[in-house]
Amino acid sequence: EDQVTQSPEALRLQEGESSSLNCSYTVSGLRGLFWYRQDPGKGPEFLFTLYSAGEEKEKERLKATLTKKESFLHITAPKPEDSATYLCAVQAETGRRALTFGSGTRLQVQP
Amino acid sequence: NAGVTQTPKFRVLKTGQSMTLLCAQDMNHEYMYWYRQDPGMGLRLIHYSVGEGTTAKGEVPDGYNVSRLKKQNFLLGLESAAPSQTSVYFCASSFSTSGGSGTDTQYFGPGTRLTVL
Repeated sequence: EDQVTQSPEALRLQEGESSSLNCSYTVSGLRGLFWYRQDPGKGPEFLFTLYSAGEEKEKERLKATLTKKESFLHITAPKPEDSATYLCAVQAETGRRALTFGSGTRLQVQP
Repeated sequence: NAGVTQTPKFRVLKTGQSMTLLCAQDMNHEYMYWYRQDPGMGLRLIHYSVGEGTTAKGEVPDGYNVSRLKKQNFLLGLESAAPSQTSVYFCASSFSTSGGSGTDTQYFGPGTRLTVL
């Protein structure tokens, strides 16, 4: 059974204080690992897809990395507008094309 | 280009009532999905469709039915609502991959918040 565990559950940062969010996963052959951002009352918004260990992707203050067991979302010099819940999901090589999601990390960036 | 839209945005039902949630996408995606999101549990797949006229069960299908009569629409039905179905429901869609080891980026709608009393 595919599983995704995200930590920490919640994180409070000061503006400019860099940190990392963790996503640990077990999957029967990884097709892709996805990061989404979700604002309160809205649907998840796609950020990145990572396909293989060693891969990295960046977007503004966010950088996602992937190993064989986990992924990190690094946030450099965050701003209050980065406050959101960040979701990690995996897609297996076989079976249905749906995603298995973690419970998310709720990030709050204070000015 | 509206992406994925969902109606209604909010709904309150009494136990035993029925309703249908509508999802529409204008991206010509083959795959469509229904998820529910509950506090502390993440998003869980209810049903999905790999093309017009086809549907399949996901992780938590009991109490729900779906139909995909048109490629752009995916309907989620609750025949007899129960308080355990109180949740936020999200629809998503993705391209089909024509072959090889591609992945499907799923694009989500804004959600429907359902309360069953």
